[in-house]
Amino acid sequence: DAGVTQSPTHLIKTRGQQVTLRCSPKSGHDTVSWYQQALGQGPQFIFQYYEEEERQRGNFPDRFSGHQFPNYSSELNVNALLLGDSALYLCASSLSPTGELFFGEGSRLTVL
Amino acid sequence: GNSVTQMEGPVTLSEEAFLTINCTYTATGYPSLFWYVQYPGEGLQLLLKATKADDKGSNKGFEATYRKETTSFHLEKGSVQVSDSAVYFCALEGGGGADGLTFGKGTHLIIQP
Repeated sequence: DAGVTQSPTHLIKTRGQQVTLRCSPKSGHDTVSWYQQALGQGPQFIFQYYEEEERQRGNFPDRFSGHQFPNYSSELNVNALLLGDSALYLCASSLSPTGELFFGEGSRLTVL
Repeated sequence: GNSVTQMEGPVTLSEEAFLTINCTYTATGYPSLFWYVQYPGEGLQLLLKATKADDKGSNKGFEATYRKETTSFHLEKGSVQVSDSAVYFCALEGGGGADGLTFGKGTHLIIQP
């Protein structure tokens, strides 16, 4: 049984560019949450998707957007990248919006 | 808003030593509390949780008790092993603050044989 898978694992972008990160949830899970983990910090909640809708959102600007597909997989998009967007982006899935979170290993984004 | 403060690392111990990692929180209501662990090369995993005051969460020899009076959720283990080397995160959810989990900065634990 595959766990949460994320792609790509590493990527480098330059300021002003746009990036799309992808997440496949654990089998049977219908809810996906995204977190940003800066170096030396704990993860920060970006948003949660359930039934293809953004259900909850943390304190992140509109440059951060997402999508959930009918197969429950999800994308995180970040526009107009800033140096401060460099971080590990974690995807977590759960059986329901209030269920236990299972995390992927993350996508490490470097913005130059 | 919600916040979590945990002791700075790295924490270095010898095998079979007693472990305590301190965690205190700020929340306006009654949050659920969690400890997550991140082993090298792996994703975050839930270690244990407690959902109300005086609850004790336990797993793999680790324990933590939800102390509302001191707003704390300290992680303890009686005898650590080399395989416990990892980064440990204290987190909370709910309590009238922001959505999602609010994490501390993490504590890197190193166990020497």
